[in-house]
Amino acid sequence: GAGVSQSPSNKVTEKGKDVELRCDPISGHTALYWYRQSLGQGLEFLIYFQGNSAPDKSGLPSDRFSAERTGGSVSTLTIQRTQQEDSAVYLCASSPQGGLVTEAFFGQGTRLTVV
Amino acid sequence: GIQVEQSPPDLILQEGANSTLRCNFSDSVNNLQWFHQNPWGQLINLFYIPSGTKQNGRLSATTVATERYSLLYISSSQTTDSGVYFCAVVAYNQGGKLIFGQGTELSVKP
Repeated sequence: GAGVSQSPSNKVTEKGKDVELRCDPISGHTALYWYRQSLGQGLEFLIYFQGNSAPDKSGLPSDRFSAERTGGSVSTLTIQRTQQEDSAVYLCASSPQGGLVTEAFFGQGTRLTVV
Repeated sequence: GIQVEQSPPDLILQEGANSTLRCNFSDSVNNLQWFHQNPWGQLINLFYIPSGTKQNGRLSATTVATERYSLLYISSSQTTDSGVYFCAVVAYNQGGKLIFGQGTELSVKP
């Protein structure tokens, strides 16, 4: 596609429920990143994919968080048993080869609210 | 890991004024990008600038990699320049992840 697409744009869920957030990267981009931004804060790194593998998942805050990428394209971030502190905007980015020497582009984000 | 510090944290300008935003980083980098996060939360790419100087309209940026800093210049500021400006880097020794500074929040008053 023309840009990075994330869905849904907004998600309200009850505490304890599982949620899935989707990211469609720019066509042909092999690297994909997930970040989290809490209200008024900076961007917190969660996980980085190169193709379908995740060489760096050091930012996932707990084992309730997981992510996968299939076909070197779409990625899903899953949060199990959501807690109120999970409320944030979840941002996805992609780049042509990987962060080392190429430019990353962001989607519009998914605003998650846990009530 | 690498530390990325941006200054100032907040900036208020009168429309038409110029400003300089700074990004310092604590280690050698492969990649440096400047983003503008608009009031709707969208991150807009401003510059991909691991070294050297680039200009795009009223905006320009300079990265001096050997001295571990980058500067973003905004000239003749407009109200639409308001928002948060982020610097993000990829360190040589930290794989491919993009590490963000805490941002500079800019408010341009009419």
